[in-house]
Amino acid sequence: EAEVAQSPRYKITEKSQAVAFWCDPISGHATLYWYRQILGQGPELLVQFQDESVVDDSQLPKDRFSAERLKGVDSTLKIQPAELGDSAMYLCASSLRRDSPLHFGNGTRLTVT
Amino acid sequence: GENVEQHPSTLSVQEGDSAVIKCTYSDSASNYFPWYKQELGKGPQLIIDIRSNVGEKKDQRIAVTLNKTAKHFSLHITETQPEDSAVYFCAANSGGTSYGKLTFGQGTILTVHP
Repeated sequence: EAEVAQSPRYKITEKSQAVAFWCDPISGHATLYWYRQILGQGPELLVQFQDESVVDDSQLPKDRFSAERLKGVDSTLKIQPAELGDSAMYLCASSLRRDSPLHFGNGTRLTVT
Repeated sequence: GENVEQHPSTLSVQEGDSAVIKCTYSDSASNYFPWYKQELGKGPQLIIDIRSNVGEKKDQRIAVTLNKTAKHFSLHITETQPEDSAVYFCAANSGGTSYGKLTFGQGTILTVHP
C-alpha cells in the first residue's frame, strides 16, 4: 500500500536555529496537509495545499513558519527560528482530492532544546 | 470554529469485550467524521469514516454511528484484541467538500488486556 513519506523521523535542534521537514505524498494525491501534534493531544492543521497552491494557511505562524510545494508534488515545512514551544510531532498528510479521506505519514518528531 | 470533544480519555477492557468511544462536535456544517488509530511512534491511520448522509457504517469489528441532531458520533469496537490497543482520535471537518481540514478530539488511550 502506498504511503506518505516523511524525513527526517527525528530532529533535535537548539532554539533560534532553523529546521526543515520534508514530505512526499502518495503518488497522484493533489491535496497535501501539514499538521502539528503536541504530545498527548490531537493533530492541529497548519497548512493545506491544492497542487502547488496554498489553500489555507490561517493557522500557520507565518512569522517563523513557511511551507512550499513548488512542483505540486513533495513539500517542505520550515521553522526559523525554532522556539522551545515548537517541540512536537509534525505530520504530513495527503488525499487524492479535497473530498477524499486523509492519509498520514509517520511524522517528524522535533525536539527544541 | 469547530470544537470536538472526545470521551473517555482512557479506556481499559478485557480481550473479547466491546469498546465504545464517544465524540461531540459543535459546527452544524460538519459533514465528514473520520476515526483514526495511532500506534506509538507512528502517524494516525484511518480506520473508518462516515458522512453526514448516513447514520451508521460498519466494517468487520468496527462500527461508527452518527446522530446529526445531537451532534455526536461514536466508535464501536467488538471482540477487542490486544492489537487494538492504541490511541484513537475522532475528527470532524469544517463542512463543504474539504475532508482534510479536520478538527481532532483529544484522543482515547485504549488498552485491551489479554
